[in-house]
Parts: sequence; structure tokens; C-alpha cells
Amino acid sequence: DIAMTQSPDSLAVSLGERATINCKSSQNLLYSSNNKNYLAWYQQKPGQPPKLLIYWASTREVGVPGRFSGSGSGTDFTLTIDSLQAEDVARYYCQQYYTGLSFGQGTMVEIK
Amino acid sequence: EVQVVESGGDLVKPGESLRLSCAASGFSVIDAWVTWVRQAPGKGLEWVGHIESQSDGGTIEFAAPVKGRFTISRDDSKNVLFLQMNSLTSEDTAVYYCATKYPPVGAHVFDSWGQGTLVTVSS
Repeated sequence: DIAMTQSPDSLAVSLGERATINCKSSQNLLYSSNNKNYLAWYQQKPGQPPKLLIYWASTREVGVPGRFSGSGSGTDFTLTIDSLQAEDVARYYCQQYYTGLSFGQGTMVEIK
Repeated sequence: EVQVVESGGDLVKPGESLRLSCAASGFSVIDAWVTWVRQAPGKGLEWVGHIESQSDGGTIEFAAPVKGRFTISRDDSKNVLFLQMNSLTSEDTAVYYCATKYPPVGAHVFDSWGQGTLVTVSS
């Protein structure tokens, strides 16, 4: 099974500043035949289901604001939220879909 | 509009069974990759299992904690997906979400989620 580890567990960022969340997988998520990383990012607010933000490590889902971006390859990935807004307060999860599925433990983003 | 609605959650005793439903609208379940994800109270997301579209082979996979106890099936005529859960334990207590992304993008990622249905296993 592929284990996903996020860091930090929580972070507080001032409005308008950048938030960076890291995700490390226990195995390579880059599929050589199509050169794609099987990694997605979700946002979950209290009482709501998750919302897909990013897939293929860096492809932004339709309708997701441009301040959200994903990067990384292989085993190390990053979700960046540029210019944090109040509505971005949420828990963020990475998810691998290279073999089965598994999620990171989540990172809580709050306003400083 | 693509929508999924879960139902069937309940309070059951350890060892009992329960069947959850995922009613789809805006797409045909036979053509979609659909997953079940659960979230224990105050905890993170945990993949339960998924089924791929019939055209992609209809592969069904489960996470290790539920393999052999849970099954997934479809009623194509009613456009509903089911999660049959047997030999339930307290560890299965969670909100269960059904999710999909339609049309499929060749990846197990999900942009359409239900509101979830609560399963509580307690004596």
C-alpha cells in the first residue's frame, strides 16, 4: 500500500500571504508510460464533502481559482495557495491513485 | 448536472450487515468510475472501494480493511450503485461518501460528491 504523508499538520497564514502544503508518497507516483503523476488535491470545509482542486499533480479542476496550484513529481508534491483568502480556511488532502487510492492525513489551513 | 446521493446509513450492531445506496443523476453509473470514501468522526478521508466503468472493464477494488467484507454492485436500470457491508465493526463507523467524476478522465479523482450517509456500529 502507498502511504501518503502531509506536512505540516496545520499552518496559519495571514490573509494575502502564501500557504504551502507538502505531500510525500512512500512510492513513486509518476507513471513512465504517460509521464503523469497520479496525485490529486482536495479541499474540505467543515460539514461539507471534499472538493477536487488539482489532479495529475498540476491540472487545476475547472472552476478552481488560479491562486491554487500544484507541483512536484515522483514522491514529493506541493499545493500552493497564493494570496490566501478567508474562504480558503479548510483542511486539505492529497490523494494518490497510482495503485488503489490513499489519502494523506490532511493539513488544516487557518488565518493568522 | 452530475449528482450523487447516498442513503442507507443507520445504527447497527457489531457483526451486522448494511447496504448503502448511491443514486446517480446526470450520468449513467455504467459509464462512470465511482468510489466510496469514508470519514470517521473527526478523522481524515479513507478510501473504501471503487468500480470502474463497464467500458473500462468494470474493475472493482477495495481497501485492505474492508476487503472480503464489502462488495460493490450496480443496478443499471435504476442508475444506482450499492455498497454492501458485512461483518461490521466499530472501526467501520463513519460518514460514507459516494463520489465520481463524469465524464471519466482516466483517473480515480472525484469532483462530484454526495453529502454522505452516517453509519454507526455500536452495541
